[in-house]
Amino acid sequence: GQSLEQPSEVTAVEGAIVQINCTYQTSGFYGLSWYQQHDGGAPTFLSYNALDGLEETGRFSSFLSRSDSYGYLLLQELQMKDSASYFCAVFNQAGTALIFGKGTTLSVSS
Amino acid sequence: EAGVTQFPSHSVIEKGQTVTLRCDPISGHDNLYWYRRVMGKEIKFLLHFVKESKQDESGMPNNRFLAERTGGTYSTLKVQPAELEDSGVYFCASSQFEGQALSPEQYFGPGTRLTVT
Repeated sequence: GQSLEQPSEVTAVEGAIVQINCTYQTSGFYGLSWYQQHDGGAPTFLSYNALDGLEETGRFSSFLSRSDSYGYLLLQELQMKDSASYFCAVFNQAGTALIFGKGTTLSVSS
Repeated sequence: EAGVTQFPSHSVIEKGQTVTLRCDPISGHDNLYWYRRVMGKEIKFLLHFVKESKQDESGMPNNRFLAERTGGTYSTLKVQPAELEDSGVYFCASSQFEGQALSPEQYFGPGTRLTVT
């Protein structure tokens, strides 16, 4: 089956850099996605890595190592509005839907 | 472009009652998904439609849950009869159908918070 592990909580201050790690076990692997969810809101797509390496989108970057079944989301120049839950996700074995990790709650303080 | 919408935003019902949740996906999106997040736990997949067909319903917890997508547009998820453990936030998501490759970007609605008392 599929499972994902990520830290439950991370705290940081404004302007800092934070890395949220995700390790996964899958029967079939299509790629690793990251989603952000503000309290009470809809999860929103941040990034997707299908191949090894680093993908950069503004202040956010995502990394994947398929050989290590590991990825991370890197958030730079943290802002208060980045306080949210961050989920890593993979497609299920059939490739029909997403399997999510339990989420990492990021708290950014001033 | 309007996003994914869900109705109602909140629902409080008693155990044994019936509730129907509605999801309107982004226009033109063939893929429609239902997910559920029980408090403190991960977002869990329930089922997947491609147009009006159920592609995968392996995540549906039991036969008290019935999902439909008549005409391949909006979808409903009915819980009958509701049990206490059905409480949680029910999310709907949609995505484009890009040939044989699924779009990794799914657009989520704001969710319906269901409380069963």
